[in-house]
Amino acid sequence: ETGVTQTPRHLVMGMTNKKSLKCEQHLGHNAMYWYKQSAKKPLELMFVYNFKEQTENNSVPSRFSPECPNSSHLFLHLHTLQPEDSALYLCASSLTGDGNQPQHFGDGTRLSIL
Amino acid sequence: SQELEQSPQSLIVQEGKNLTINCTSSKTLYGLYWYKQKYGEGLIFLMMLQKGGEEKSHEKITAKLDEKKQQSSLHITASQPSHAGIYLCGADSTGTASKLTFGTGTRLQVTL
Repeated sequence: ETGVTQTPRHLVMGMTNKKSLKCEQHLGHNAMYWYKQSAKKPLELMFVYNFKEQTENNSVPSRFSPECPNSSHLFLHLHTLQPEDSALYLCASSLTGDGNQPQHFGDGTRLSIL
Repeated sequence: SQELEQSPQSLIVQEGKNLTINCTSSKTLYGLYWYKQKYGEGLIFLMMLQKGGEEKSHEKITAKLDEKKQQSSLHITASQPSHAGIYLCGADSTGTASKLTFGTGTRLQVTL
């Protein structure tokens, strides 16, 4: 049990579908992150939220839309994705986004685009 | 952008043997994080190193940071099957720890 829960664990969707990934943390952290992990590529940071405010968008295509309604929840809304978007999407949280605190990760959502 | 190179890319060791994994950065390191990942799962935090020369240990795993060489090493003593997985280093090049860059990982297998 990591303290960071991601749902669903697996998702298969067509390119025209709209779906959302959910991340929830009960660690009392104030910063949350979305990462993409593709085969044979380094883990890529997508978005950073600190106290519900987006502080980093790492040039992510607009077909990925994050939402952070509060410090405990983070969503990633998906629409009109491409086959190359198939990957493991990992959520992480840390106590703060501006200090030297380790990030704690969820188990990820494995996304497959048909 | 910062790049992290991990070596070796993969490693097979016999149970009981020692091993070392290296992580070298192309830029100044403000902090270095080691994580372990099992296939298809999330990352488990192992250790965080912040100061040059810092060394930390947890059970049979020791990590060191050589700030001048912009390098960190992870050493496992007397490896066990439970050590198998992918080891990832993550580096902070901004001093805020919010924007981490990760290496491609080292896949470790431990044989009986």
